[in-house]
Amino acid sequence: GQQVMQIPQYQHVQEGEDFTTYCNSSTTLSNIQWYKQRPGGHPVFLIQLVKSGEVKKQKRLTFQFGEAKKNSSLHITATQTTDVGTYFCAGPGETSGSRLTFGEGTQLTVNP
Amino acid sequence: EAQVTQNPRYLITVTGKKLTVTCSQNMNHEYMSWYRQDPGLGLRQIYYSMNVEVTDKGDVPEGYKVSRKEKRNFPLILESPSPNQTSLYFCASRRGQGAYEQYFGPGTRLTVT
Repeated sequence: GQQVMQIPQYQHVQEGEDFTTYCNSSTTLSNIQWYKQRPGGHPVFLIQLVKSGEVKKQKRLTFQFGEAKKNSSLHITATQTTDVGTYFCAGPGETSGSRLTFGEGTQLTVNP
Repeated sequence: EAQVTQNPRYLITVTGKKLTVTCSQNMNHEYMSWYRQDPGLGLRQIYYSMNVEVTDKGDVPEGYKVSRKEKRNFPLILESPSPNQTSLYFCASRRGQGAYEQYFGPGTRLTVT
């Protein structure tokens, strides 16, 4: 079945450093979503990408969808302590487009 | 306020004692799901429902049941819980089957001894 893989699993940065997490799918995705889960919290939707090569920005966060629509990345510029959490990508399932398959997540810690 | 609610938030139980985790959403969403979250495994879908009386298995349905008698409610039932069902459970809803954002409940931390 479809697999969505994320790397790295963990990332520790100093406040002010940049951070990037990568998401790779074993199949072509019609769209990809990104979620953030703060420690002790629940996943919260950040953004959705649909078009090949699409780039979207939210303040210090930049999201990219690969040309082949099989990979995506989230880049945070100049991390802050408020960026701490786990970032998940999610794509629709191979056999059932309504289902979302989540990656394992990247857990980001930021040292002040 | 648009939200997904779950109860209870924390539960410690013993093997074999049937339990139900309730989930309710106030956004008139058609699509609802249950996920479990375990360290290093991300979010895995247990069951989902595309509308009232329409449910289907996700990736890890064994040991769980669901029902969707009303649009707003989607309870998760563990008929005979076992220790390997100790996990963090999230209910989620979205507008429909299409590429819509999902709204997650606050989570239920279940421990089965």
